[in-house]
Amino acid sequence: AQTVTQSQPEMSVQEAETVTLSCTYDTSESDYYLFWYKQPPSRQMILVIRQEAYKQQNATENRFSVNFQKAAKSFSLKISDSQLGDAAMYFCAYRGTNTGNQFYFGTGTSLTVIP
Amino acid sequence: EPEVTQTPSHQVTQMGQEVILHCVPISNHLYFYWYRQILGQKVEFLVSFYNNEISEKSEIFDDQFSVERPDGSNFTLKIRSTKLEDSAMYFCASAKGSRTGELFFGEGSRLTVL
Repeated sequence: AQTVTQSQPEMSVQEAETVTLSCTYDTSESDYYLFWYKQPPSRQMILVIRQEAYKQQNATENRFSVNFQKAAKSFSLKISDSQLGDAAMYFCAYRGTNTGNQFYFGTGTSLTVIP
Repeated sequence: EPEVTQTPSHQVTQMGQEVILHCVPISNHLYFYWYRQILGQKVEFLVSFYNNEISEKSEIFDDQFSVERPDGSNFTLKIRSTKLEDSAMYFCASAKGSRTGELFFGEGSRLTVL
């Protein structure tokens, strides 16, 4: 089964600074999708950014970008110019193309933004 | 903006009781999911549903669990006889497509089993 590992249970960053959240995964598939979801204290998970494995270019969404290293099976999230509203739990998720419809989630990283 | 809605937001029940959690997925979505998150742990897949039938389920989704889409809009999760270890946040999610689509999550239903 696919596994997703987030080795940082907690991270903190100073407001306006940059932080990188780590994620590694294990798969035998060559085609898959990776996601970062944000879960604020209000509980609803929302999509932050998505990366298709067949794309070499790293995805970027405003202040959020990823460093996707397919050979290393690594998918880190960089948050630039951190804002107080970025404080949340961040989950890395994997979705394969040959393993059904389910998403596999990591254990999450709790991000604190220090004013 | 369309969203997934879940009710109730919090339910407290006695062990052995039946519980039904309700979800209204986004209207043009075709794939529906239930996930759960025990406090402080990872989000775990329970079941996926497509074309009016279960397409995939995890080991957690045993005979005590069932899902229904009774009227084309609601998507319910029933736990027949709750156990203490069923206490968790249950998230409903829906997706438009099967392979590339992101999951849209509801706000979750917190179930507390006493």
